[in-house]
Amino acid sequence: QVQLQESGPGLVKPSETLSLTCAVSGDSMRGFYWSWIRQPPGKGLEWIGYIYSSGGTNYNSSFKSRVNISISMSKNQFSLKLNSVTAADTALYYCARHEYIIGSGWRPVEYWGQGILVTVSS
Amino acid sequence: EIVLTQSPGTLSLSPGERATLSCRASQTLSRNSLAWYQHKPGQAPRLLIYGASSRAIGIPDRFSGSGSGTDFTLTISRLEPEDFAVYYCQQYDTSLGGFGPGTKVDIK
Repeated sequence: QVQLQESGPGLVKPSETLSLTCAVSGDSMRGFYWSWIRQPPGKGLEWIGYIYSSGGTNYNSSFKSRVNISISMSKNQFSLKLNSVTAADTALYYCARHEYIIGSGWRPVEYWGQGILVTVSS
Repeated sequence: EIVLTQSPGTLSLSPGERATLSCRASQTLSRNSLAWYQHKPGQAPRLLIYGASSRAIGIPDRFSGSGSGTDFTLTISRLEPEDFAVYYCQQYDTSLGGFGPGTKVDIK
């Protein structure tokens, strides 16, 4: 059973960098896409971006200039860095896994972490 | 960019009643690449339906999905107490597949 667990500071100051890590257990990271998805208070789900196991990334254009997702296969984890945060970045942040099947296309997100609340405030 | 809209925003029903939730895409989804998730506070979203109508593993058969092209429906045949939650549709036709704004099913 694949398990994902987010970790990181729950409070970040405005203009600083939000850094989160997702620990993956129960399966290899190879061949899958690893995502960060967030939910601001009272709002819906918003995809931040993803990284493939080989290191290729794709980011939501809304975040492109200030986001970086990286992966460490040896540590079985991947990470999110979001620069220059503001109060609008206050949200529940989820890490998740999905996949692309050649000939069939993308698959829905089957595995999610429990989420971590990050508050941006001085 | 494919935009999803969901209706209604809130559905107030009693246990045992039938819930019908709608999701509309701004353009046709190839392969009916539409999923439904259930989301409760403090929990991870739970995949219910994929491919518009296929139930995910372990999902009770009171949950069913239908539709094709741009119009999709999630039906909960008889609401159980644990079904009161927010439901999101998601298109995975494209990478970074977007989510709808959600429908909250609450107790009447």
